[in-house]
Amino acid sequence: GQNIDQPTEMTATEGAIVQINCTYQTSGFNGLFWYQQHAGEAPTFLSYNVLDGLEEKGRFSSFLSRSKGYSYLLLKELQMKDSASYLCAVTDSNYQLIWGAGTKLIIKP
Amino acid sequence: ETGVTQTPRHLVMGMTNKKSLKCEQHLGHNAMYWYKQSAKKPLELMFVYNFKEQTENNSVPSRFSPECPNSSHLFLHLHTLQPEDSALYLCASSQDSSGSYNEQFFGPGTRLTVL
Repeated sequence: GQNIDQPTEMTATEGAIVQINCTYQTSGFNGLFWYQQHAGEAPTFLSYNVLDGLEEKGRFSSFLSRSKGYSYLLLKELQMKDSASYLCAVTDSNYQLIWGAGTKLIIKP
Repeated sequence: ETGVTQTPRHLVMGMTNKKSLKCEQHLGHNAMYWYKQSAKKPLELMFVYNFKEQTENNSVPSRFSPECPNSSHLFLHLHTLQPEDSALYLCASSQDSSGSYNEQFFGPGTRLTVL
């Protein structure tokens, strides 16, 4: 079967750094997405990785290791507005997006 | 503004009612999707339309019936639902559902409660 694993919930402090991990077992791999979803709102695109390595975009970075079936999303200089759920999704060999259940990130002052 | 709108935002219905959810995208995309989102569960893909043709139906019960009259509009017709169908229903669109880079743009969702 196909599976995406990520922690259910994480807590971090404003101004700090947090890393959200995602591991996957899928039939094939054609890229990995991270989305952000604030409560009651639409998921919005954060990043896309298809090659190994780190992609940096402002305060957010995403890392991929295809050999390990592993990715992480790194959030720096955390702000209260970063409180949201972070969804990991993998495109499989049939170009279908397989979704994780999401990680709820709580930021405390 | 993501360019994908959904109506209604909230819907409460009885098990014998018939209602429809509407989705419209203003992004010029060719693929549209219906997802079900339940608490602490992964997004469940329900239906996919690519260039107005249904390409995916993930074993969804027949009480859910999709309709895609054109590339910009997508409907989900609901009838004789069950309380376990209560969830957030998300619509999404992308340029093409068959490519490896398939960034999807989501609407705000319809929060459905079945009594």
